[in-house]
Amino acid sequence: EAGVAQSPRYKIIEKRQSVAFWCNPISGHATLYWYQQILGQGPKLLIQFQNNGVVDDSQLPKDRFSAERLKGVDSTLKIQPAKLEDSAVYLCASSLAGYGNTIYFGEGSWLTVV
Amino acid sequence: AQSVTQPDIHITVSEGASLELRCNYSYGATPYLFWYVQSPGQGLQLLLKYFSGDTLVQGIKGFEAEFKRSQSSFNLRKPSVHWSDAAEYFCAVGARSGGSNYKLTFGKGTLLTVNP
Repeated sequence: EAGVAQSPRYKIIEKRQSVAFWCNPISGHATLYWYQQILGQGPKLLIQFQNNGVVDDSQLPKDRFSAERLKGVDSTLKIQPAKLEDSAVYLCASSLAGYGNTIYFGEGSWLTVV
Repeated sequence: AQSVTQPDIHITVSEGASLELRCNYSYGATPYLFWYVQSPGQGLQLLLKYFSGDTLVQGIKGFEAEFKRSQSSFNLRKPSVHWSDAAEYFCAVGARSGGSNYKLTFGKGTLLTVNP
């Protein structure tokens, strides 16, 4: 079974530029998550989708971050304009809908803002 | 709001020695608890999870964890560590997030170094 796919794996941009990350969840998984992991910290939830609807985006910095999940499958996370403190790994994860189903993580997209 | 504390930032053990990684949680309801492992440059892999029932949970790679409600703890153990276990370990608590969904709140992680 294919896992959660993410691209690009690595990205270096200058501050104030924009960047977009793409995620393809495991086939059939209705729930999709984006987490931000800053070096030395645990992952922090940015946004959670069920199908193409937002379940939780309470920790998403909406002035610069946006995410969408058109057609309820793939998802894109965008940062515009980027700040130095956005340097982190952006992890996409997916699961079957329902409480307690295992959440599977992709390998992450590493962002460095210089 | 839910939270997870992993008191040990970095632990070093010798290969073949036993291991215990500590995790304390705060959650107002019955917790769903998880341990994930992250190798360098990789995503997170689920080691084990606790939902209900037997408080001693077995996972992959020879790991186990024990849920102690009175201590709000969910410590991870392994009787004999292998060099390949060197990685970062994250404890997480699951909380409902609307509808039938849930989300994970992670601790800051414990980095495990294994000496030969």
